[in-house]
Amino acid sequence: DGGITQSPKYLFRKEGQNVTLSCEQNLNHDAMYWYRQDPGQGLRLIYYSQIVNDFQKGDIAEGYSVSREKKESFPLTVTSAQKNPTAFYLCASSFRVSTDTQYFGPGTRLTVL
Amino acid sequence: GENVEQHPSTLSVQEGDSAVIKCTYSDSASNYFPWYKQELGKGPQLIIDIRSNVGEKKDQRIAVTLNKTAKHFSLHITETQPEDSAVYFCAASAPNNAGNMLTFGGGTRLMVKP
Repeated sequence: DGGITQSPKYLFRKEGQNVTLSCEQNLNHDAMYWYRQDPGQGLRLIYYSQIVNDFQKGDIAEGYSVSREKKESFPLTVTSAQKNPTAFYLCASSFRVSTDTQYFGPGTRLTVL
Repeated sequence: GENVEQHPSTLSVQEGDSAVIKCTYSDSASNYFPWYKQELGKGPQLIIDIRSNVGEKKDQRIAVTLNKTAKHFSLHITETQPEDSAVYFCAASAPNNAGNMLTFGGGTRLMVKP
């Protein structure tokens, strides 16, 4: 069963804590992305990766970090430096960073208490 | 950079009627335009896409039209059904230093009344 999985579905964090969101894909895609979605708004790009061991900042990278040690995995860490981290986080992947279709995971809803 | 505007933000139609959602983009170099459907609490799912060398594409009850001169594209859903109720996002893909990146519109909440 191919696709993109994200875990956990819901995540609660206390202020001042770092938290890591998981994203895994078995579609053999080279490119992976992290987006943030706030209520009633569109998707904004946090980070993207074209290939293993490479990643680039998107439009709203401040307060976030990523790694890409394996092709299948692209975890996102929300650090304590992120001023307003409560949001819905979406991971996506595509064959390349190009006009290839991006496929999205089910998302993780992060709430800071 | 690219800017994508989407209208309307909410749309209510009667079951069986048609629905039209419109998007405009700013970067004339944009060459790929996907549409996504997002149900509550889920990730967006691609429903149809169009590339800049095509003016119209149809898939059963949904169709997308592209006007490159005016820099706008539209999603058309015919014979709407209650299960079409969701948030719809348009996006445009324009080249940058790393490749083509998607810029999303703000979304349209479609409500189909039975």
